Amino acid sequence: KAGVTQTPRYLIKTRGQQVTLSCSPISGHRSVSWYQQTPGQGLQFLFEYFSETQRNKGNFPGRFSGRQFSNSRSEMNVSTLELGDSALYLCASSLTGVIYEQYFGPGTRLTVT
Amino acid sequence: AQSVTQLGSHVSVSEGALVLLRCNYSSSVPPYLFWYVQYPNQGLQLLLKYTTGATLVKGINGFEAEFKKSETSFHLTKPSAHMSDAAEYFCAVGTYNNNDMRFGAGTRLTVKP
Repeated sequence: KAGVTQTPRYLIKTRGQQVTLSCSPISGHRSVSWYQQTPGQGLQFLFEYFSETQRNKGNFPGRFSGRQFSNSRSEMNVSTLELGDSALYLCASSLTGVIYEQYFGPGTRLTVT
Repeated sequence: AQSVTQLGSHVSVSEGALVLLRCNYSSSVPPYLFWYVQYPNQGLQLLLKYTTGATLVKGINGFEAEFKKSETSFHLTKPSAHMSDAAEYFCAVGTYNNNDMRFGAGTRLTVKP
């Protein structure tokens, strides 16, 4: 079956703009999680959605938000972009939650200039 | 909250040699432990996981890890390294009552011919 897909794969934005990233989970998976990966901070948990509800949120400012649709597809939004938001954003899906087997997408590489 | 420490940001081994990547965790409740691998420009792939039961866990590609509660460790091993094992490896911890995942800083494995 098809894996986790993320769009777009690469994105260049300017400081102050906002951005929306999309994630399509594996068919049948109801949990979608988002992670930020940077050389300095490593992999950090952003949030997890399950059946359209945010179940948990990492330690990120309110500029980072997300949502999940009834078909389990998820989007994350970053408003008022800062240079430090440049990162690889990874989406992962699983049947029921992050502590179960997660399948990761290839990521969206965001560059903020 | 739970946390993970990976000892050694870079490990270099010769092809055919033993691979040992070290991971120590901290958790106030029984942990779920994971090893993921990331190849360049790709997302993460689950190698193996420990939830409960047998403390020696076998994963894909010949990797295995042993959960040692007394040492709070979950080291990853492979008897004989292949060139294709060169990648970044992440140890992660989660708990049943806290639906998030904490990753270590990662260990980059280099395999020399």
